[in-house]
Amino acid sequence: DQQVKQNSPSLSVQEGRISILNCDYTNSMFDYFLWYKKYPAEGPTFLISISSIKDKNEDGRFTVFLNKSAKHLSLHIVPSQPGDSAVYFCAASLNFNKFYFGSGTKLNVKP
Amino acid sequence: GAGVSQSPRYKVAKRGQDVALRCDPISGHVSLFWYQQALGQGPEFLTYFQNEAQLDKSGLPSDRFFAERPEGSVSTLKIQRTQQEDSAVYLCASSLARQANTEAFFGQGTRLTVV
Repeated sequence: DQQVKQNSPSLSVQEGRISILNCDYTNSMFDYFLWYKKYPAEGPTFLISISSIKDKNEDGRFTVFLNKSAKHLSLHIVPSQPGDSAVYFCAASLNFNKFYFGSGTKLNVKP
Repeated sequence: GAGVSQSPRYKVAKRGQDVALRCDPISGHVSLFWYQQALGQGPEFLTYFQNEAQLDKSGLPSDRFFAERPEGSVSTLKIQRTQQEDSAVYLCASSLARQANTEAFFGQGTRLTVV
């Protein structure tokens, strides 16, 4: 039973526009959420995180929003750049003992 | 090195063969995780160490899988009598914190192909 879901396997966006990647989770006890970015043949690279006590965290072009009542997480990238093209994974943890990952969304930013 | 290092990068094993995958975490990192990533899927948790103690091994798919971290640094994931369904990328991650909210740093993974 998958506790973290990314229902969009792929997303295509024009350079300069906003990319919105979505993630849903089922366990209301999750207390920490992260986004990872992955290029082919490399391990996932940490991008941004948010604690369950917050509803927004911003780092440059990347903003993560958390809606606890809806058990929904989203990552906004503004403006999108071709170098952002990668697979994005959301992950959630409980007491930091392990991370549960979604299946990923492949983002393609077109020049 | 500066990051998490895994070896080998690629491993081809004949069905029934035993394999050992190595992870060198970032120096000083207390927590170490192993994940299994099947093609087109997200990483799935296998096991977690805090220093040398294996605190959670609930994700290990069978008793053919065994992980150790005897000195609280380097870790080895061993798979005995490999099967075709074991083919996947095995990712290792380490983290500085014991219980604080922080990110884990991943290695490049070992791609295991069982033929």
